Amino acid sequence: GNSVTQMEGPVTLSEEAFLTINCTYTATGYPSLFWYVQYPGEGLQLLLKATKADDKGSNKGFEATYRKETTSFHLEKGSVQVSDSAVYFCALSDIMNYGGATNKLIFGTGTLLAVQP
Amino acid sequence: KAGVTQTPRYLIKTRGQQVTLSCSPISGHRSVSWYQQTPGQGLQFLFEYFSETQRNKGNFPGRFSGRQFSNSRSEMNVSTLELGDSALYLCASSLVAGGTDTQYFGPGTRLTVL
Repeated sequence: GNSVTQMEGPVTLSEEAFLTINCTYTATGYPSLFWYVQYPGEGLQLLLKATKADDKGSNKGFEATYRKETTSFHLEKGSVQVSDSAVYFCALSDIMNYGGATNKLIFGTGTLLAVQP
Repeated sequence: KAGVTQTPRYLIKTRGQQVTLSCSPISGHRSVSWYQQTPGQGLQFLFEYFSETQRNKGNFPGRFSGRQFSNSRSEMNVSTLELGDSALYLCASSLVAGGTDTQYFGPGTRLTVL
């Protein structure tokens, strides 16, 4: 079945450092890809998404490009802040058995990011 | 516009009891999905509803059930609670079903089973 693999955490960085969180996926068809962020004690917030190959999603300085040839959707940010400390989840939209679209998301295990001042 | 609301935010139950969790989607959203989040299993899909119909179901035992009402509000029920059901239950809503639409998550209901 479809699956998402993302790098193990925690990732600890100093403020203003460059961030990369790796995400690769296995899927049939052409799923949409997402990055969600979860702050302590809260639900998930959509950070960015891409719906087709070569699309680049971006938001709040974060970027990720849908790479079909490498089945990847790595999250990057040029300069992290303490306020970016959170758990980041990579996800893809699953496909129904008959090939139809569904809102079911398959998530990676999450990567804890800790940014130190 | 109000976000997704989930009630209650915290619940403590004992083994064998049953529980009902509620989710009110963003106004105008017709699709609601539920997820279970645990440290061991991560985020796992439970159900997806659209216009009162269950479109998709995850790999959970029959003790887990759900429904959606005509106003798009959704409930999920867990009967005969087990210790392993302790988790954060998250609800997400979107305008339509289809995979590309943005899903908005609520803050979750933290269920503790003793």
